Amino acid sequence: DAMVIQNPRYQVTQFGKPVTLSCSQTLNHNVMYWYQQKSSQAPKLLFHYYDKDFNNEADTPDNFQSRRPNTSFCFLDIRSPGLGDAAMYLCATSWQRGGVDTQYFGPGTRLTVL
Amino acid sequence: GQNIDQPTEMTATEGAIVQINCTYQTSGFNGLFWYQQHAGEAPTFLSYNVLDGLEEKGRFSSFLSRSKGYSYLLLKELQMKDSASYLCAVRDSNYQLIWGAGTKLIIKP
Repeated sequence: DAMVIQNPRYQVTQFGKPVTLSCSQTLNHNVMYWYQQKSSQAPKLLFHYYDKDFNNEADTPDNFQSRRPNTSFCFLDIRSPGLGDAAMYLCATSWQRGGVDTQYFGPGTRLTVL
Repeated sequence: GQNIDQPTEMTATEGAIVQINCTYQTSGFNGLFWYQQHAGEAPTFLSYNVLDGLEEKGRFSSFLSRSKGYSYLLLKELQMKDSASYLCAVRDSNYQLIWGAGTKLIIKP
C-alpha cells in the first residue's frame, strides 16, 4: 500500500542533544511537509518542500532544519532541542499540480526532551 | 489575521447524530478540509469542499457556505470508534493550509 512512513515513532532525547526524525513516502508526491503539533493544538507548519524548493515558515526557529535528498525522503533536524520542542512531529505529503492537493499524513513521531 | 473557530469539545451518544461546526476568516478561499485525528495518531483525511453545498460520504457529510465562512461535519449513526478530534482546515489564497485546533468528540454508550 502506498503510504507515508515516519521513524522512529517515539524519540527521547536530552536537552541540547541533536536529533533527526525521518519521513519516507511511496506515494510519489511532489510536496512534503513537516508539522509540529502539541496537545490539543492545531498542527503548526514548520516548512515544506515543493519538489526540491525549500519553503520555511517565517516563525520557524533556526533550531529546526530540514533536508530532502530525493523525492521519497525528508528529514527534520533539531539542532539543540529544548523542553518546549517536546511535541508530535507530523510529516505529510501531497500532489500539487493543480486540482485538490489533499495532504496525507504519516503516523507521527512523538518527541520527548529530558 | 486568519482564524478558524471550532468548538473545543462535544459529547454525543452512540447511534445518534452530531454536527461539528467550523467558521473561518481567511485571506481568500481555495477549499476546506476535514480531518479525523485519534488520540496520539496522525490526522486522516475525511472530506473536501470547495463549492457550496453538501458532500456525502457514507456516515459522514460535510457542508460548506462560502458566503458565510461556515462549514459543518455531520456524523450519523455514531459509533464508539468515532471518538476522536475533528480538525477543520482552510486553504487560503496563497494555497497555505490554515488549521483549526480541532473539536474533541466524546461518544458515550
